[in-house]
Amino acid sequence: AQSVTQPDIHITVSEGASLELRCNYSYGATPYLFWYVQSPGQGLQLLLKYFSGDTLVQGIKGFEAEFKRSQSSFNLRKPSVHWSDAAEYFCAVGVNNNDMRFGAGTRLTVKP
Amino acid sequence: NAGVTQTPKFQVLKTGQSMTLQCAQDMNHEYMSWYRQDPGMGLRLIHYSVGAGITDQGEVPNGYNVSRSTTEDFPLRLLSAAPSQTSVYFCASSHPGLADQETQYFGPGTRLLVL
Repeated sequence: AQSVTQPDIHITVSEGASLELRCNYSYGATPYLFWYVQSPGQGLQLLLKYFSGDTLVQGIKGFEAEFKRSQSSFNLRKPSVHWSDAAEYFCAVGVNNNDMRFGAGTRLTVKP
Repeated sequence: NAGVTQTPKFQVLKTGQSMTLQCAQDMNHEYMSWYRQDPGMGLRLIHYSVGAGITDQGEVPNGYNVSRSTTEDFPLRLLSAAPSQTSVYFCASSHPGLADQETQYFGPGTRLLVL
Protein backbone atom coordinates (compact mmCIF):
# COMPACT_ATOMS: atom_id res chain seq x y z
CA ALA A 1 0.00 0.00 0.00
CA GLN A 2 1.16 3.53 -0.72
CA SER A 3 2.32 5.52 2.27
CA VAL A 4 4.30 8.60 3.12
CA THR A 5 6.24 9.03 6.33
CA GLN A 6 7.51 12.29 7.74
CA PRO A 7 9.43 11.09 10.80
CA ASP A 8 9.69 14.48 12.49
CA ILE A 9 6.47 15.91 13.86
CA HIS A 10 8.11 19.12 15.05
CA ILE A 11 11.51 20.68 14.34
CA THR A 12 13.00 23.81 15.86
CA VAL A 13 15.93 25.58 14.22
CA SER A 14 17.62 28.92 14.79
CA GLU A 15 17.27 31.63 12.20
CA GLY A 16 20.15 31.37 9.75
CA ALA A 17 20.75 27.70 10.44
CA SER A 18 20.35 25.01 7.81
CA LEU A 19 17.25 22.86 7.59
CA GLU A 20 16.48 19.35 6.43
CA LEU A 21 13.00 17.85 6.57
CA ARG A 22 12.74 14.15 5.95
CA CYS A 23 10.25 12.31 3.76
CA ASN A 24 10.17 8.59 3.05
CA TYR A 25 7.63 6.83 0.90
CA SER A 26 6.42 3.40 -0.02
CA TYR A 27 5.07 3.03 -3.53
CA GLY A 28 4.87 0.37 -6.21
CA ALA A 29 6.68 2.46 -8.79
CA THR A 30 8.50 5.78 -8.77
CA PRO A 31 5.78 8.31 -8.08
CA TYR A 32 5.66 12.02 -8.56
CA LEU A 33 6.94 13.76 -5.43
CA PHE A 34 5.88 17.07 -3.94
CA TRP A 35 6.58 19.35 -1.02
CA TYR A 36 3.90 21.77 0.14
CA VAL A 37 4.01 24.47 2.82
CA GLN A 38 1.06 25.57 4.93
CA SER A 39 1.13 28.78 6.92
CA PRO A 40 -1.31 29.08 9.84
CA GLY A 41 -4.89 29.44 8.65
CA GLN A 42 -3.88 29.10 5.02
CA GLY A 43 -4.13 26.48 2.31
CA LEU A 44 -1.21 24.51 0.98
CA GLN A 45 1.28 26.12 -1.37
CA LEU A 46 3.53 24.10 -3.65
CA LEU A 47 7.24 24.49 -2.88
CA LEU A 48 8.65 22.10 -5.45
CA LYS A 49 7.99 18.88 -7.30
CA TYR A 50 9.85 16.00 -8.89
CA PHE A 51 8.56 14.19 -11.95
CA SER A 52 11.69 12.90 -13.66
CA GLY A 53 15.23 13.86 -14.64
CA ASP A 54 17.66 15.62 -12.33
CA THR A 55 17.18 14.25 -8.84
CA LEU A 56 17.98 17.59 -7.20
CA VAL A 57 15.08 19.97 -7.69
CA GLN A 58 14.92 23.63 -6.87
CA GLY A 59 11.81 25.27 -5.55
CA ILE A 60 10.52 28.60 -4.41
CA LYS A 61 11.75 30.51 -1.35
CA GLY A 62 15.24 29.00 -1.59
CA PHE A 63 14.16 25.42 -0.93
CA GLU A 64 15.53 22.35 -2.68
CA ALA A 65 14.87 18.63 -2.43
CA GLU A 66 16.76 15.55 -3.47
CA PHE A 67 15.14 12.37 -4.70
CA LYS A 68 17.04 9.24 -3.67
CA ARG A 69 15.49 6.20 -5.31
CA SER A 70 17.58 3.71 -3.36
CA GLN A 71 16.37 5.16 -0.07
CA SER A 72 12.80 5.99 -1.21
CA SER A 73 13.36 9.44 0.16
CA PHE A 74 12.67 13.00 -0.92
CA ASN A 75 14.16 15.26 1.74
CA LEU A 76 13.63 19.00 1.74
CA ARG A 77 16.53 21.34 2.48
CA LYS A 78 17.29 24.99 2.91
CA PRO A 79 20.78 26.38 3.62
CA SER A 80 19.68 29.29 5.80
CA VAL A 81 16.28 29.46 7.44
CA HIS A 82 14.38 32.73 7.78
CA TRP A 83 11.79 33.49 10.47
CA SER A 84 9.12 33.60 7.76
CA ASP A 85 9.76 29.91 7.02
CA ALA A 86 7.97 28.93 10.20
CA ALA A 87 5.05 26.83 8.98
CA GLU A 88 3.94 23.25 8.48
CA TYR A 89 5.48 21.27 5.65
CA PHE A 90 3.86 18.35 3.86
CA CYS A 91 5.40 15.78 1.60
CA ALA A 92 3.08 14.17 -0.97
CA VAL A 93 3.53 11.33 -3.46
CA GLY A 94 1.39 9.83 -6.19
CA VAL A 95 1.13 9.11 -9.87
CA ASN A 96 -1.98 11.18 -10.36
CA ASN A 97 -4.21 13.47 -8.31
CA ASN A 98 -6.65 10.66 -7.54
CA ASP A 99 -3.91 8.69 -5.91
CA MET A 100 -2.05 11.34 -3.95
CA ARG A 101 -0.86 10.47 -0.47
CA PHE A 102 0.19 13.13 2.00
CA GLY A 103 2.47 12.77 4.97
CA ALA A 104 1.29 13.84 8.40
CA GLY A 105 3.36 17.01 8.23
CA THR A 106 6.34 18.54 10.02
CA ARG A 107 5.87 21.72 11.97
CA LEU A 108 8.83 24.07 11.75
CA THR A 109 9.57 26.59 14.48
CA VAL A 110 12.28 29.19 13.90
CA LYS A 111 14.07 30.66 16.90
CA PRO A 112 15.35 34.22 16.67
CA ASN B 1 -7.47 35.47 -10.76
CA ALA B 2 -8.90 34.67 -7.35
CA GLY B 3 -7.63 31.09 -7.64
CA VAL B 4 -9.51 28.60 -5.48
CA THR B 5 -12.05 30.07 -3.09
CA GLN B 6 -13.93 28.34 -0.29
CA THR B 7 -16.89 29.36 1.82
CA PRO B 8 -17.55 29.49 4.68
CA LYS B 9 -14.25 29.85 6.50
CA PHE B 10 -15.65 28.43 9.70
CA GLN B 11 -18.86 26.59 10.57
CA VAL B 12 -20.35 25.01 13.66
CA LEU B 13 -22.99 22.30 13.20
CA LYS B 14 -25.02 20.13 15.48
CA THR B 15 -25.03 16.38 14.96
CA GLY B 16 -27.52 15.46 12.27
CA GLN B 17 -27.57 18.83 10.55
CA SER B 18 -26.76 19.15 6.88
CA MET B 19 -24.67 21.73 5.08
CA THR B 20 -22.80 22.41 1.89
CA LEU B 21 -19.21 23.56 1.68
CA GLN B 22 -18.66 25.69 -1.38
CA CYS B 23 -15.62 25.61 -3.64
CA ALA B 24 -15.01 27.62 -6.79
CA GLN B 25 -12.04 28.13 -9.08
CA ASP B 26 -11.51 30.61 -11.90
CA MET B 27 -8.56 28.94 -13.58
CA ASN B 28 -10.63 26.73 -15.90
CA HIS B 29 -9.16 23.65 -14.26
CA GLU B 30 -10.69 20.33 -15.21
CA TYR B 31 -9.73 18.49 -12.05
CA MET B 32 -11.10 19.39 -8.63
CA SER B 33 -10.93 17.57 -5.33
CA TRP B 34 -11.89 17.72 -1.68
CA TYR B 35 -9.57 16.77 1.17
CA ARG B 36 -9.95 16.68 4.89
CA GLN B 37 -7.06 17.47 7.21
CA ASP B 38 -6.93 15.95 10.65
CA PRO B 39 -4.14 16.31 13.24
CA GLY B 40 -1.35 13.81 12.71
CA MET B 41 -2.88 12.41 9.54
CA GLY B 42 -2.05 14.81 6.75
CA LEU B 43 -4.63 15.31 4.01
CA ARG B 44 -6.97 12.56 2.86
CA LEU B 45 -8.93 12.62 -0.38
CA ILE B 46 -12.71 12.59 0.01
CA HIS B 47 -14.06 12.98 -3.54
CA TYR B 48 -12.73 14.23 -6.82
CA SER B 49 -13.94 15.26 -10.25
CA VAL B 50 -12.14 15.09 -13.58
CA GLY B 51 -14.62 17.38 -15.31
CA ALA B 52 -18.17 18.67 -15.29
CA GLY B 53 -20.62 15.84 -14.71
CA ILE B 54 -17.95 13.37 -13.59
CA THR B 55 -17.20 12.60 -9.95
CA ASP B 56 -15.65 9.71 -8.08
CA GLN B 57 -14.79 8.62 -4.56
CA GLY B 58 -11.46 9.08 -2.89
CA GLU B 59 -9.99 7.50 0.19
CA VAL B 60 -12.63 8.61 2.75
CA PRO B 61 -15.95 9.29 0.95
CA ASN B 62 -18.47 8.04 3.52
CA GLY B 63 -20.83 10.72 4.77
CA TYR B 64 -20.12 13.12 1.92
CA ASN B 65 -21.71 13.81 -1.46
CA VAL B 66 -20.47 15.88 -4.36
CA SER B 67 -21.66 17.08 -7.74
CA ARG B 68 -20.01 18.97 -10.59
CA SER B 69 -22.51 20.82 -12.74
CA THR B 70 -20.01 23.41 -13.97
CA THR B 71 -16.26 23.54 -14.46
CA GLU B 72 -15.95 26.28 -11.85
CA ASP B 73 -17.86 24.86 -8.88
CA PHE B 74 -17.46 21.71 -6.81
CA PRO B 75 -19.63 21.74 -3.66
CA LEU B 76 -19.25 19.19 -0.87
CA ARG B 77 -22.40 18.15 0.97
CA LEU B 78 -22.69 16.71 4.44
CA LEU B 79 -26.14 15.14 4.63
CA SER B 80 -26.15 14.33 8.34
CA ALA B 81 -23.16 15.72 10.17
CA ALA B 82 -21.35 13.61 12.75
CA PRO B 83 -18.68 14.62 15.30
CA SER B 84 -16.20 12.48 13.35
CA GLN B 85 -16.53 14.98 10.51
CA THR B 86 -14.98 17.73 12.59
CA SER B 87 -12.00 18.67 10.48
CA VAL B 88 -10.49 21.24 8.18
CA TYR B 89 -11.64 20.81 4.60
CA PHE B 90 -9.58 21.85 1.61
CA CYS B 91 -10.63 22.12 -1.98
CA ALA B 92 -8.01 21.86 -4.71
CA SER B 93 -7.89 22.12 -8.47
CA SER B 94 -5.45 21.27 -11.22
CA HIS B 95 -5.15 21.21 -14.98
CA PRO B 96 -3.36 18.08 -16.08
CA GLY B 97 -0.94 18.82 -18.85
CA LEU B 98 2.67 18.53 -19.76
CA ALA B 99 3.74 21.79 -18.14
CA ASP B 100 1.96 21.53 -14.84
CA GLN B 101 0.88 17.96 -14.53
CA GLU B 102 -0.60 16.94 -11.22
CA THR B 103 0.21 20.23 -9.46
CA GLN B 104 -2.74 21.11 -7.29
CA TYR B 105 -3.79 24.57 -6.18
CA PHE B 106 -5.45 24.68 -2.78
CA GLY B 107 -8.12 26.90 -1.33
CA PRO B 108 -7.74 28.49 2.14
CA GLY B 109 -9.86 25.82 3.84
CA THR B 110 -13.09 25.54 5.81
CA ARG B 111 -12.87 24.70 9.48
CA LEU B 112 -15.88 22.61 10.54
CA LEU B 113 -16.87 21.77 14.10
CA VAL B 114 -19.67 19.25 14.68
CA LEU B 115 -21.07 19.19 18.19
